[in-house]
Amino acid sequence: AQSVTQPDIHITVSEGASLELRCNYSYGATPYLFWYVQSPGQGLQLLLKYFSGDTLVQGIKGFEAEFKRSQSSFNLRKPSVHWSDAAEYFCAVGGSTGSARQLTFGSGTQLTVLP
Amino acid sequence: DTAVSQTPKYLVTQMGNDKSIKCEQNLGHDTMYWYKQDSKKFLKIMFSYNNKELIINETVPNRFSPKSPDKAHLNLHINSLELGDSAVYFCASSQIPAGVWAETQYFGPGTRLLVL
Repeated sequence: AQSVTQPDIHITVSEGASLELRCNYSYGATPYLFWYVQSPGQGLQLLLKYFSGDTLVQGIKGFEAEFKRSQSSFNLRKPSVHWSDAAEYFCAVGGSTGSARQLTFGSGTQLTVLP
Repeated sequence: DTAVSQTPKYLVTQMGNDKSIKCEQNLGHDTMYWYKQDSKKFLKIMFSYNNKELIINETVPNRFSPKSPDKAHLNLHINSLELGDSAVYFCASSQIPAGVWAETQYFGPGTRLLVL
């Protein structure tokens, strides 16, 4: 069974500082990996995804993530955080159960940005 | 031109009532999903429909029944609401490309259900 672990429940950074959110996954085959962001009171928006190819993936809003198979990780990074980045971030792994495809989400990391 | 829409956005009701949440997507996708997000923000899939056919049915009480009248709509009906049903329910949709075993899912804004 697939699973995702986001070890950091809450992270606080100052505006302009760099950011790294951790994500570790467990999946028996080649994983399909996603990062979603949820702003307060909103639905989930896709930031970026990894299916295959280059292990460094660029997303929207200046985010990037790196797939490291040896570490079973897919960490999200941003070089300079903006106040508007304050939100909940979810890592997810996509896979299949029989003929059914589904996403399994981590428990999320709440990002607070200090002025 | 909202891609995935849900109604209502907020739902406050008494224990024991029956309620429905509606979801519509205008993306032309074949697959739709319902997720439940609990008070700790943990997201878990409940159901998935592909071309109106149920393909994922996770362990949820029988009181929850999805209905897909056509591939653009997936409604969630909940009977005999309980306090523990209070959560945010998200609808999502996707288009599964041929030969790919995962795809991007597009989420609605969520329905915040509070059972009193």
